[in-house]
Amino acid sequence: DQQVKQNSPSLSVQEGRISILNCDYTNSMFDYFLWYKKYPAEGPTFLISISSIKDKNEDGRFTVFLNKSAKHLSLHIVPSQPGDSAVYFCAPHAGGTSYGKLTFGQGTILTVHP
Amino acid sequence: KAGVTQTPRYLIKTRGQQVTLSCSPISGHRSVSWYQQTPGQGLQFLFEYFSETQRNKGNFPGRFSGRQFSNSRSEMNVSTLELGDSALYLCASSPLSGLNQPQHFGDGTRLSIL
Repeated sequence: DQQVKQNSPSLSVQEGRISILNCDYTNSMFDYFLWYKKYPAEGPTFLISISSIKDKNEDGRFTVFLNKSAKHLSLHIVPSQPGDSAVYFCAPHAGGTSYGKLTFGQGTILTVHP
Repeated sequence: KAGVTQTPRYLIKTRGQQVTLSCSPISGHRSVSWYQQTPGQGLQFLFEYFSETQRNKGNFPGRFSGRQFSNSRSEMNVSTLELGDSALYLCASSPLSGLNQPQHFGDGTRLSIL
């Protein structure tokens, strides 16, 4: 039962353009949504998050959009840079007694070409 | 501020042995979560500790266990190792759990079972 799906295994973008990474979920108990990026041989690095009471959160080049009715969120990176090339994970958290548990998607490999 | 530290970085064991992995959270962080990452299953939640108490547990057999000490450092133990336990084990910490605060990850311990 895959509760979090990142349907694009990979995405290739030109430097300076926008990267859009998508994530769909099925669990309506998710109320806090995080994005992480991961380089090989390193742990995931927190990028940006959004609470379910919001529909947009922005931090520099990174913006996350949440559509609760569609159970969909997306991460926009503008402008994309070669250093953004990494694997990106969507990781929601459910409220209640789901202490410390993030449910990760399978990840999207982003490649930004110079 | 030092990040999450995991030791050792690499470990090779044989089937049937047991192993203990260590995690030192960011100073002041009291919640520690553990995850297993494999190519087939992705990142999966193992368990979470807060104030020396396990508050949440993922869907893993009882061979996987953990504990947390009074200084918030945590260990996880895997007994009777199987080939399928080969994975990257990641530890993450956050100041408090359940209050919409991001988890910060260490670089993991790569466990290989021969």
